Amino acid sequence: NAGVTQTPKFQVLKTGQSMTLQCAQDMNHEYMSWYRQDPGMGLRLIHYSVGAGITDQGEVPNGYNVSRSTTEDFPLRLLSAAPSQTSVYFCASSYGRNGEAFFGQGTRLTVV
Amino acid sequence: AQTVTQSQPEMSVQEAETVTLSCTYDTSESDYYLFWYKQPPSRQMILVIRQEAYKQQNATENRFSVNFQKAAKSFSLKISDSQLGDAAMYFCAYRPVGATNKLIFGTGTLLAVQP
Repeated sequence: NAGVTQTPKFQVLKTGQSMTLQCAQDMNHEYMSWYRQDPGMGLRLIHYSVGAGITDQGEVPNGYNVSRSTTEDFPLRLLSAAPSQTSVYFCASSYGRNGEAFFGQGTRLTVV
Repeated sequence: AQTVTQSQPEMSVQEAETVTLSCTYDTSESDYYLFWYKQPPSRQMILVIRQEAYKQQNATENRFSVNFQKAAKSFSLKISDSQLGDAAMYFCAYRPVGATNKLIFGTGTLLAVQP
C-alpha cells in the first residue's frame, strides 16, 4: 500500500525554469492538497482539489498551477521558478469531507 | 480568519519525563477539529492525536494526551514517559468541519529529548 507518493524528493532549479512536482495516491481519495513548509511558518495551503476536474486556491497560490484530470494524480506546476519558491512541498489526500489527511514524504525544492 | 499559534519554538525534556506543548487558536466557528502532527527528521508528517471540538472529553493516544479548553481556545499536548523517538517538530493544526483539505498549521515546536 503506497499511500501518497511524491516525486522527486529533491530538486534544484534555476530561476525562471519550470517544473512539475508529482503527487499520486492509491487510496481512491477525493480530496487532495498541496502545502509548502517554510522555516518558522509551518505549512501553508497552496491549492486543493475536491475531485477530478475541480481545483481551488489556498492561502498562497501565486506562482503555482494545478489540475486534476484523474482521482489518483494531482501535479503542482511551477511555471517560472523564483528563489521565493524555495521550500519543502507536501501533498496530502483524504477521503470524505472530514477524513484524516495522509501526507506524502515531501519534495525539497531549491531555486537558485 | 482562523489562526493557530505555538508560542514555544523549542522545548527540551529528559527521557522518561513529561512535557507539555502549548497551542492556542482563534476561530469564530463552534465546531471544528484540532490536531497534533509529529514531523521527525525524515520529514514525514505523522498524525499524533485528533480532537473534535464538540467532544468535551480530552483525546488520548497511549502516552499522548491533550488538554482541550474550548472557551480559552487552547489545545496543549502532553507527552508522558518521553522517549528518544519522540524528538521531532510538533505542529498544532486546526481544520473547519467539512473542509478536510484546509488544515491551518501553527509554526511548530521543536522537541529535544535528552538521554
